[in-house]
Amino acid sequence: KAGVTQTPRYLIKTRGQQVTLSCSPISGHRSVSWYQQTPGQGLQFLFEYFSETQRNKGNFPGRFSGRQFSNSRSEMNVSTLELGDSALYLCASSPSLAGGFADTQYFGPGTRLTVL
Amino acid sequence: AQSVAQPEDQVNVAEGNPLTVKCTYSVSGNPYLFWYVQYPNRGLQFLLKYITGDNLVKGSYGFEAEFNKSQTSFHLKKPSALVSDSALYFCAVRRGSGGYNKLIFGAGTRLAVHP
Repeated sequence: KAGVTQTPRYLIKTRGQQVTLSCSPISGHRSVSWYQQTPGQGLQFLFEYFSETQRNKGNFPGRFSGRQFSNSRSEMNVSTLELGDSALYLCASSPSLAGGFADTQYFGPGTRLTVL
Repeated sequence: AQSVAQPEDQVNVAEGNPLTVKCTYSVSGNPYLFWYVQYPNRGLQFLLKYITGDNLVKGSYGFEAEFNKSQTSFHLKKPSALVSDSALYFCAVRRGSGGYNKLIFGAGTRLAVHP
């Protein structure tokens, strides 16, 4: 099976702009989660989508949003970009069968966002 | 609140020697524990997990981890380190119920294996 794919791999934006990142999960996986990785804050959970519904959310401002499509692909959007949004954004997918408590999350290569 | 601590920023090991990367956790209820590895400019690769059962969990690339409930620890180990094991290692915890797929990660430990 193909792994989790994320596009684009690299992005450069300026403050105030908005950006959309895309994630395609492993075939058959129904849950998609997003994480932000920065040198200062480490890996932080943004949100999780399952069956097109957000079922878990981290502690990020409303500028960060996401959605999931019927084919389980997911996008996340960041509006009004700030310098501090520069980070590696990681997407992870999991099967999420029977509640998914024992699931393993498989990560994509990430999108490196630089805000100038 | 859930949390994970990786007390060592960096671990240095000679090739062929055993390695240990430490992790302690705090979570209400039963913990689900994970180890991931990250190579430069790459995402996270899954190594192993503890859900229930045997306290010694075996994973990919010869790694194993020991779950110790009384010490709330989940240390990663390998009997003989390789130079190619040099990478950033993350321990993560998820609450056993209601936490869905929200992983809480430690700060990471950089493993350097010297020839």
